[in-house]
Amino acid sequence: DAKTTQPNSMESNEEEPVHLPCNHSTISGTDYIHWYRQLPSQGPEYVIHGLTSNVNNRMASLAIAEDRKSSTLILHRATLRDAAVYYCILKSNSGYALNFGKGTSLLVTP
Amino acid sequence: GAVVSQHPSRVICKSGTSVKIECRSLDFQATTMFWYRQFPKQSLMLMATSNEGSKATYEQGVEKDKFLINHASLTLSTLTVTSAHPEDSSFYICSAVGPGDNNSPLHFGNGTRLTVT
Repeated sequence: DAKTTQPNSMESNEEEPVHLPCNHSTISGTDYIHWYRQLPSQGPEYVIHGLTSNVNNRMASLAIAEDRKSSTLILHRATLRDAAVYYCILKSNSGYALNFGKGTSLLVTP
Repeated sequence: GAVVSQHPSRVICKSGTSVKIECRSLDFQATTMFWYRQFPKQSLMLMATSNEGSKATYEQGVEKDKFLINHASLTLSTLTVTSAHPEDSSFYICSAVGPGDNNSPLHFGNGTRLTVT
């Protein structure tokens, strides 16, 4: 699977938007971009995924660059409960497994 | 939404004993289940993939005789850590996916924290 690069950590104030970047310059044409997050001592939780177009759901938005070599997860109003490690993962068309990188640890301060 | 239940959430065992961890899909049929391991401050590492009714496929470096996986039904997979040692202490997480397009989200259990003394 192609690799992703994310900042180790980011910090945000509560109720402000958060933009979490992810670089994936070796993405292939059929790779989907998946985002999961993991709260402390819990299993990961699905956030959003997309292929080429920007995506919105109740949790977040996903902005995908036109060349698909990067993407940004947008949390529109961060809450304390959004403090977690956010993983950007490229998912190939073959198989279901996800290979996790190191992710970005998001700290949200009141 | 789809729920994956993992049991137990915490277990402490003595070195040399075996521990079984259960992973159940509560409201969908899980054709494929995955087992991950996570050491403190590290990311999740895929250990094995299991399809219902067939043998699990293990990732390189994971001993299949030590980590026994059984996926006997569409709603249950078990991971047995045999002859556990302190270095097996870790956070074990299962995930499951139902039939359908292989870009469906994975549903994860809440993990089992294993401590081997």
